[in-house]
Amino acid sequence: EPEVTQTPSHQVTQMGQEVILRCVPISNHLYFYWYRQILGQKVEFLVSFYNNEISEKSEIFDDQFSVERPDGSNFTLKIRSTKLEDSAMYFCASSEEVAGLNEQFFGPGTRLTVL
Amino acid sequence: DQQVKQNSPSLSVQEGRISILNCDYTNSMFDYFLWYKKYPAEGPTFLISISSIKDKNEDGRFTVFLNKSAKHLSLHIVPSQPGDSAVYFCAATHASGAGSYQLTFGKGTKLSVIP
Repeated sequence: EPEVTQTPSHQVTQMGQEVILRCVPISNHLYFYWYRQILGQKVEFLVSFYNNEISEKSEIFDDQFSVERPDGSNFTLKIRSTKLEDSAMYFCASSEEVAGLNEQFFGPGTRLTVL
Repeated sequence: DQQVKQNSPSLSVQEGRISILNCDYTNSMFDYFLWYKKYPAEGPTFLISISSIKDKNEDGRFTVFLNKSAKHLSLHIVPSQPGDSAVYFCAATHASGAGSYQLTFGKGTKLSVIP
């Protein structure tokens, strides 16, 4: 069964450093998403991406964040200068382009620890 | 901001009995609701969804009920099995004009099914 994959599973970085989280969405999906979950809190929407541009973004997704689809398979989230409060699980998700709403399929997540 | 609320952080049920997980929402714009299951160290896994034009959707052991007037939905699992032990997230959305849609999650309910 096709699945969303994410690398790395765990990333440790120093405050102020740049990190890139990688995702490979399901191959025939065209909508891509990033969510995060701070420990003990809700899963929160960050950004959605379609046709090589951002469709929607939340207020969390400020100028420190960017997303990119550098090739036909990868979807990345970059945090330019990490802060302690960026420590969280980051989930990538993808969904099909079919009329009507379709479920989003989530990857296993990347645990980001900012020291 | 608690647009989607799951007021029970945990629930214990005997194997073979019914599990009922509850979810309330406040945003009248939500028109599509989903339940996800999450095991530790994994991403959320889609279970079942319901559109606001329906009041019930059933898939095997899982049934979701929607009461729009009360802004309440519930997930029924019957019979419950030990493998159902996980955290269950209620999520809600409304279709954006862009075709993508952001999910708003509740905090989750940890279900423990006791053999």
